[in-house]
Amino acid sequence: QVQLVESGGGLVKSGGSLRLSCAASGFNFGDYYMNWVRQAPGKGLEWLSFISSGATTVYYTDSVKGRFTISRDNTKNSLYLQMDSLRADDTAVYYCARGPHYFDSWGQGTLVTVTS
Amino acid sequence: DIVLTQSPGTLSLSPGERATLSCRASRSVASAYLAWYQQKPGQAPRLLIYGVSTRATGIPDRFSGSGSVTDFTLTISRLEPEDFAVYYCQQYSTSPRTFGQGTKVEIK
Repeated sequence: QVQLVESGGGLVKSGGSLRLSCAASGFNFGDYYMNWVRQAPGKGLEWLSFISSGATTVYYTDSVKGRFTISRDNTKNSLYLQMDSLRADDTAVYYCARGPHYFDSWGQGTLVTVTS
Repeated sequence: DIVLTQSPGTLSLSPGERATLSCRASRSVASAYLAWYQQKPGQAPRLLIYGVSTRATGIPDRFSGSGSVTDFTLTISRLEPEDFAVYYCQQYSTSPRTFGQGTKVEIK
């Protein structure tokens, strides 16, 4: 069965960096677009970024453009999110999700807390 | 960006009742590129509906989606205890993908 497992979250100071990972299994990872979506505490869902199956196309929402970088390693069935210049409003649970358009599989999320 | 506005914010209903959730887009959602998700506390979202009205794998037929252009509806025909949750719409007509702010369906 499809499984997505995020890791790498934690406590980081404002201005710091963090790299999230998402390990995929149960499907042919290299065939799928992948995404990062986040959810601030008690808030709704915010889509952040996608990367095409061959990593030739990436897209970011404005709030993270220039600070976050999405990447993937199809040989390792892994998706990444490099987060730099972190701010307090980046505090959220970060999910990886599968799909080019809608998201049919999600990980359980990893919590990132940015302190001042 | 396409802004999605969901209403009501909270829906208080009893098991067995019908739930009607609305999602309105700030401009046309092309090609029926609209999805719905369910999220329970402490869990990841789960895909319910895509393409406005196509149920995802394993989703019971009490869930149905309808609408077009800018106005979309998720209907739960008879609420089961496990349906009390937060529901989000999402458009994938354009990038950035955007979600509505959510509708909470709570037990009355």
